[in-house]
Amino acid sequence: NAGVTQTPKFQVLKTGQSMTLQCAQDMNHNSMYWYRQDPGMGLRLIYYSASEGTTDKGEVPNGYNVSRLNKREFSLRLESAAPSQTSVYFCASSVRRDNTEAFFGQGTRLTVV
Amino acid sequence: GEDVEQSLFLSVREGDSSVINCTYTDSSSTYLYWYKQEPGAGLQLLTYIFSNMDMKQDQRLTVLLNKKDKHLSLRIADTQTGDSAIYFCAESIKDTDKLIFGTGTRLQVFP
Repeated sequence: NAGVTQTPKFQVLKTGQSMTLQCAQDMNHNSMYWYRQDPGMGLRLIYYSASEGTTDKGEVPNGYNVSRLNKREFSLRLESAAPSQTSVYFCASSVRRDNTEAFFGQGTRLTVV
Repeated sequence: GEDVEQSLFLSVREGDSSVINCTYTDSSSTYLYWYKQEPGAGLQLLTYIFSNMDMKQDQRLTVLLNKKDKHLSLRIADTQTGDSAIYFCAESIKDTDKLIFGTGTRLQVFP
């Protein structure tokens, strides 16, 4: 019973490099989310997806793209990484809108140098 | 817009009660939540309250909601060292799939 699985757990990128953070859930949840966590700023919503094939911008979408190819997977892509994107990234999923509980992955610690 | 605010730190003695406060701006929130984050881990749901309720109690946890003032609080009775963590309040926004989190409150419990 894996829940929400994120890969990788740690990553160091050089400025300008691209990468994709992967997230998969095995709970048949409809909604999926990407957040970034920065000290003193809590969790900020980057993008979210209500269902397969749909995505919407959150509070801080600039510099990111997402893809919800199927119900299980929701990926986050950084096309040209910047030091300001150094953060811990969390993926989460929930059953439905007006959700009762969101389940979180363990996080990806990304450093952009 | 949607904004959720919390104080950053709280320090309490073991055995005392802790009260963590949260204010939010969006009056259309449907559910309000408290999540706990332990070091190096993701967030886990502690409890939640539906927006038409005033209070919810769950063992050592008591959630109070003042909808008029848009104020949510979490009281932890008999606080233990294992309660040391970051606590986030969050709200789900009506008719959207948005789940908005606060800044988090770091609770430190000392002997």
